Amino acid sequence: ELKVEQNPLFLSMQEGKNYTIYCNYSTTSDRLYWYRQDPGKSLESLFVLLSNGAVKQEGRLMASLDTKARLSTLHITAAVHDLSATYFCAALDRMEASGSRLTFGEGTQLTVNP
Amino acid sequence: DTEVTQTPKHLVMGMTNKKSLKCEQHMGHRAMYWYKQKAKKPPELMFVYSYEKLSINESVPSRFSPECPNSSLLNLHLHALQPEDSALYLCASSLLGTSMHEQYFGPGTRLTVT
Repeated sequence: ELKVEQNPLFLSMQEGKNYTIYCNYSTTSDRLYWYRQDPGKSLESLFVLLSNGAVKQEGRLMASLDTKARLSTLHITAAVHDLSATYFCAALDRMEASGSRLTFGEGTQLTVNP
Repeated sequence: DTEVTQTPKHLVMGMTNKKSLKCEQHMGHRAMYWYKQKAKKPPELMFVYSYEKLSINESVPSRFSPECPNSSLLNLHLHALQPEDSALYLCASSLLGTSMHEQYFGPGTRLTVT
C-alpha cells in the first residue's frame, strides 16, 4: 500500500525567507503531483513531476523529484504573504486504463508572516 | 474550456432529504472522480468513472450514488445522509491515454447535513 508523508505539517515563516517542504512516499510511484489549496477553495495543480531528477519552477516555487530516495521537495524562495495556503503532494498509486488513483499526503499548512 | 464546474457551491440538507451534486467538464477527459474532503484533511477518493462506466468504488456507503450520464457530466445523488457526511465534495477529471495522469479539480460543493 502506497503511503505518502509530508513534513512539516505546519509551517510559519517570515516574508523573504526560504524553506523546503518534504514529501516521502513508501513504494515505487511513477508520478508526483503538488497541489495548492486556499481555505474553502479547491485544489490548484502546481507541478507534475514525471521522472527521476525532474525539477520544475514557477515563480517562487520549485519542485523536484528523486525516485530512488522516494522523495519530492517543494522549495519556497523569498516567501511572500500570497503563498500562504495548504500544499499537498500526491503520488500516483495506480496507473490504469480506467484512470489514476492518487494517494495524498496530509498537507502542509503554510503561513507567511510580514 | 479548461475547467471543471460544480453545482451547487453550497448545499444544506436534512437527513431525510434527497439531493444531487453536479459536475461538468468539456475538456474531453474520459475519467471523472468524486472526492470527499473534511476540514484540514487531504481529499479521499470515493468513485472513479472511466468512459462513463464506474471503475472504482472505494467502499462508499450506498447513501451516495454516483451517475455518469455522458462523457461531460458526473452526478452524485445523496439520500439519507448523516451529519458526519458534511464535507467539501470535489469533482475531478483527467485525460486517459497520456503519461501525465493529471487530475483537474472543480471548485467543490460545500455540503452541510443537519
